[in-house]
Amino acid sequence: DGGITQSPKYLFRKEGQNVTLSCEQNLNHDAMYWYRQDPGQGLRLIYYSQIVNDFQKGDIAEGYSVSREKKESFPLTVTSAQKNPTAFYLCASSDSFDRGYTEAFFGQGTRLTVV
Amino acid sequence: GQQVMQIPQYQHVQEGEDFTTYCNSSTTLSNIQWYKQRPGGHPVFLIQLVKSGEVKKQKRLTFQFGEAKKNSSLHITATQTTDVGTYFCAGLMDSSYKLIFGSGTRLLVRP
Repeated sequence: DGGITQSPKYLFRKEGQNVTLSCEQNLNHDAMYWYRQDPGQGLRLIYYSQIVNDFQKGDIAEGYSVSREKKESFPLTVTSAQKNPTAFYLCASSDSFDRGYTEAFFGQGTRLTVV
Repeated sequence: GQQVMQIPQYQHVQEGEDFTTYCNSSTTLSNIQWYKQRPGGHPVFLIQLVKSGEVKKQKRLTFQFGEAKKNSSLHITATQTTDVGTYFCAGLMDSSYKLIFGSGTRLLVRP
């Protein structure tokens, strides 16, 4: 069953702790993305990666970090430096731009609550 | 920085009425994509437009890409209650994989 898996669906953390959100895809896609969505808001780009071992900052990268050591995995760490981490986090992937298929496939999301 | 603006923020219509949402980018786009997100769900891809002035139709949905590749619109004819959700445009920034989403338009349909 192909797709993108985000885990866990719900996550609770205490303020000041770092937390890592998992994103795995078996679609053999080159590009992967992390977005943050706040209630009633749009999707804001945190980080994106075009290829293994390469990633770029999005519009709201401060307080977040990522790695892309494997093509299928793009974990996001929410650090204690992120001032308002409570949000809905969405991971997405898309095929090679060279092949013209750039539609993004999304995971089910992780709802992070920091108390 | 690069921005994708979308209006209106909300639209509440009577079933059977038409609906339009507009998207405008501060920079030229490689392509524009449209997504629908149902409450509690994740965005689902609807369509991609690539060419300047392109128009595509999916049943009651009509998508347009502006001549300058900086704006786009989605028009729904004769809305149904199943159309309820938030519609997002997303612009792929020229010569990159950077995919920027608009703020979305939330559509509510009165039966």
